[in-house]
Amino acid sequence: GDSVTQMEGPVTLSEEAFLTINCTYTATGYPSLFWYVQYPGEGLQLLLKATKADDKGSNKGFEATYRKETTSFHLEKGSVQVSDSAVYFCVSYGGATNKLIFGTGTLLAVQP
Amino acid sequence: NAGVMQNPRHLVRRRGQEARLRCSPMKGHSHVYWYRQLPEEGLKFMVYLQKENIIDESGMPKERFSAEFPKEGPSILRIQQVVRGDSAAYFCASSPRQGEGEQYFGPGTRLTVT
Repeated sequence: GDSVTQMEGPVTLSEEAFLTINCTYTATGYPSLFWYVQYPGEGLQLLLKATKADDKGSNKGFEATYRKETTSFHLEKGSVQVSDSAVYFCVSYGGATNKLIFGTGTLLAVQP
Repeated sequence: NAGVMQNPRHLVRRRGQEARLRCSPMKGHSHVYWYRQLPEEGLKFMVYLQKENIIDESGMPKERFSAEFPKEGPSILRIQQVVRGDSAAYFCASSPRQGEGEQYFGPGTRLTVT
């Protein structure tokens, strides 16, 4: 069945460092891909999305490109801030199922 | 526009008791989804409801779990005769239309079974 695999955390970075969180997916069809973020004590929020191959989603300095050839949707940010500390979830939607499929989440801790 | 509301935020139940979790979707949203997050795991889909109808319950355990979304009032996820393995965070999400990968999540209910 459909699945999402993302790199395990925690990821600990210093402020202004470059961030990459890897994510790959398996799907029988052509899913839409999302990154959701969960700040401490809050619900999940949509960070960015891409609905087809080669689309690039971006928001708040974060970017991810839908790569069909490598079945990947890696999250990147050029310069992280302390306020980016949160859990990041890579998510697929569609394909063989019509429900959100979550990765296990990656905890990012940014130190000043 | 208030977001998705869930209550209670924290719920403690003894083994064998019943747990009722409530979710009020965003205004104008008629599609509700429930997810469960076990420790060290990602969120897992449980059930998808539209007003008064269960659309997809393929992720719901066959016994003890039920969900409803009545015409009036919040969606309810009900767990009867809870066991320790039910301890988890339960998240509700809503969307205005079917076929939406973009869903709006509540803050979750953390259930602890003692």
